[in-house]
Amino acid sequence: DSGVTQTPKHLITATGQRVTLRCSPRSGDLSVYWYQQSLDQGLQFLIQYYNGEERAKGNILERFSAQQFPDLHSELNLSSLELGDSALYFCASSLNRENTIYFGEGSWLTVV
Amino acid sequence: GDSVTQMEGPVTLSEEAFLTINCTYTATGYPSLFWYVQYPGEGLQLLLKATKADDKGSNKGFEATYRKETTSFHLEKGSVQVSDSAVYFCALEYYGGSQGNLIFGKGTKLSVKP
Repeated sequence: DSGVTQTPKHLITATGQRVTLRCSPRSGDLSVYWYQQSLDQGLQFLIQYYNGEERAKGNILERFSAQQFPDLHSELNLSSLELGDSALYFCASSLNRENTIYFGEGSWLTVV
Repeated sequence: GDSVTQMEGPVTLSEEAFLTINCTYTATGYPSLFWYVQYPGEGLQLLLKATKADDKGSNKGFEATYRKETTSFHLEKGSVQVSDSAVYFCALEYYGGSQGNLIFGKGTKLSVKP
């Protein structure tokens, strides 16, 4: 158990809909990262937050957004969903950027 | 940009065989290097890491040495077990600028047969 908690574990939704994925980082960790794992793209970094502020952006679509709240939990919002957004979305956390990143078990999103 | 290339799988071995999974990287700076493992139906787990040239990371019988001259970080294990069956990801983390994110290879699936 990495200490990073993600909900929901599985989600099925229709095209055009909007979903929110939630992440609670390890106790004390200030950085939160979101990654997408899909069959065709592999594991891709989406976005990083540190203590509530956006720190780095990767291959995140404009239809996707994220935020980190004062209690350090984070949410990834995916809107206008397309079939190609079906993937495993990982949240990860670390104390800061010099420390090891620990991953949650992921949220499986299926868009039908 | 920075990238990681690892050998394509799947790799199928018999129990107690020797394992090597090749990983090479391209980076403009001096990244930290990692191996993560993903067991079936689970998330990513850190297997080992090395933060500078010639460092050797090791864990659970797995080893990898940071080779700056060949820009490589090959994963090895002397005797694999059925329980090692998983997908293995090589990754680099670069701290330049404001980034601290991981760049992953495509993963290598390992199947170990009894």
